[in-house]
Amino acid sequence: QKEVEQNSGPLSVPEGAIASLNCTYSDRVSQSFFWYRQYSGKSPELIMSIYSNGDKEDGRFTAQLNKASQYVSLLIRDSQPSDSATYLCAVVTRQLTFGSGTQLTVLP
Amino acid sequence: KAGVTQTPRYLIKTRGQQVTLSCSPISGHRSVSWYQQTPGQGLQFLFEYFSETQRNKGNFPGRFSGRQFSNSRSEMNVSTLELGDSALYLCASSWGISGGERSYEQYFGPGTRLTVT
Repeated sequence: QKEVEQNSGPLSVPEGAIASLNCTYSDRVSQSFFWYRQYSGKSPELIMSIYSNGDKEDGRFTAQLNKASQYVSLLIRDSQPSDSATYLCAVVTRQLTFGSGTQLTVLP
Repeated sequence: KAGVTQTPRYLIKTRGQQVTLSCSPISGHRSVSWYQQTPGQGLQFLFEYFSETQRNKGNFPGRFSGRQFSNSRSEMNVSTLELGDSALYLCASSWGISGGERSYEQYFGPGTRLTVT
């Protein structure tokens, strides 16, 4: 079992819709969770950090964490074409471990 | 505040040569991690340094090595280059264990694109 797993996608949503990205992790003691956005040809950019169970909102982005289910998700409301990118889930195990990413395309 | 910088941005080397990549972290950050990114393998962890000490190492051969200096700047070296080493090499900095809850928030540099021919 991989330490951090994401649906590879690709995921396509129409402009204005909610995009839902999911991630599961295997290490029960993990305490820090992150979402990164990576545009094609660019380096990953940190967009959300979450450390406690529940929801954390920042603008159009909401991160959700459920430690009992070992599950973290990212919701993007009112999706825009500029949100089209690969989204990487990252979890602290012995070091920061990344999932393989979900490619999101927002269709105009 | 200036971000993470990496030099050079692009590099073309011949198989068998060696290469050194450099990374300057965000001011105040004491931890530097290195990753290799390829289309097929995604982001693969190479190593992590904190206060000049290697804290963690990924599953890469000994040809890959690194070090960190007292000013937190870091270098990685790849010896005896192979075609499969062609990749984007990313450096990321963070506060490290001195950063409390934010210790592991990593910020990436633009990367060094290495091509081995």
